[in-house]
Formats: sequence, C-alpha cells, structure tokens
Amino acid sequence: NAGVTQTPKFRVLKTGQSMTLLCAQDMNHEYMYWYRQDPGMGLRLIHYSVGEGTTAKGEVPDGYNVSRLKKQNFLLGLESAAPSQTSVYFCASSYAPGVARDTQYFGPGTRLTVL
Amino acid sequence: RKEVEQDPGPFNVPEGATVAFNCTYSNSASQSFFWYRQDCRKEPKLLMSVYSSGNEDGRFTAQLNRASQYISLLIRDSKLSDSATYLCAVNIRASYDKVIFGPGTSLSVIP
Repeated sequence: NAGVTQTPKFRVLKTGQSMTLLCAQDMNHEYMYWYRQDPGMGLRLIHYSVGEGTTAKGEVPDGYNVSRLKKQNFLLGLESAAPSQTSVYFCASSYAPGVARDTQYFGPGTRLTVL
Repeated sequence: RKEVEQDPGPFNVPEGATVAFNCTYSNSASQSFFWYRQDCRKEPKLLMSVYSSGNEDGRFTAQLNRASQYISLLIRDSKLSDSATYLCAVNIRASYDKVIFGPGTSLSVIP
C-alpha cells in the first residue's frame, strides 16, 4: 500500500513551458486535491475532485488545469509556466466508505522551479 | 481576515518543556478540526483530530472552544523529535469537505 505518490519529485521549467504533475492513490479515496505551499502562505487549494470524471476550482486555480479520468489518478497541468508558479505542490486524497471523510493523506510533494 | 490563523512562531523550547499552540478560525459553521505535523521538506501528516470534549494522545492534548472559535495543541515533555511545523486545519464542509489549513507554527526543541 503506497498511499499517495507524486511524480516527478523535482522539476525546473523555463517560463512558457508546460508540464503535467501526476498524483496516484491506492486507497480507493473518492476525493483528491492539489495544493501549493509557499513560505508564509500555508497550503492553498488549486483544484479538487469529488469523484472520477469531476473537477472543481479551489482558491488559486488560474494558470492550472486538472483531469481525473481514473479514480486513482489526479493530474495537474501547467499550461504556460510562470515564475510565480515556483512552489511546492502537494496532492492529497480523502474519503472512502467507512473511513473519516475529511482526514487528508498527502503525497511527498513536487518541488517546481520556473526560471 | 484569514479563515484560519495560527501563532506566528517560531517557538524555540528546551527539551522537557511544555508548549502550547493556538489556532483561530473565522467560519462559525466549521464542522471538524485537526492538527497536522509537517517535517522540513516533507508532506503534512495528520497528528490528531480535535473533538468537542477535547482529546489526548500521549503527550499531546487538543482542545476546541467553539464559542471563541479556537483550537489549541499542548505538547508536554517536549522531545527533540517534536521539532516540526504544526498546521491546524478546519473543515467548513461547504459543497464538499472543504478543509482550510492555517499557515503553520514552527517548533524547535533544543537540547
């Protein structure tokens, strides 16, 4: 049981490049989330999904897109990277029947630098 | 005003000390409450949920005060291994289980 995994762990992009971050969970969780964490700002929700095939905007969605084609995977895309998107990105998941709905399990994070 | 605020820290305490963190939340409809621990360059991990009656897990005690809209975390007999950032989190249960995290309070336990 790997829990929540994220790939890649590190990435350096140039301004204007695009990339996709992959999150996978093997806990059969319904909900999945993408956060970014910046110094002094805490965790801010980018997008979330309450089930396969559904996505919704969080607090800071601009410049990002997501997809949840399979229940276990949640992809975060950066369409045209900007230096302001330099951050640590965490994926999280929660809620399976019989398990507390709102306890979130986090992946190890992706450290992204945009030059 | 931010939805969830925490003591700014950092807290530097000697081993064996007792330390308390406070967290305030602005949404009175908040449903459930948590403390997460985040080690340097690692992901947050759930430390404990916070129940209305207060709860204890070993050296850790969490309290909830709904009237004043704050939660607290007390760590007794601090260990070096307690050094980390502590995040409080609040589920305001909007259209989904919307969990808002505080910015975190850093703790360093010094030998």
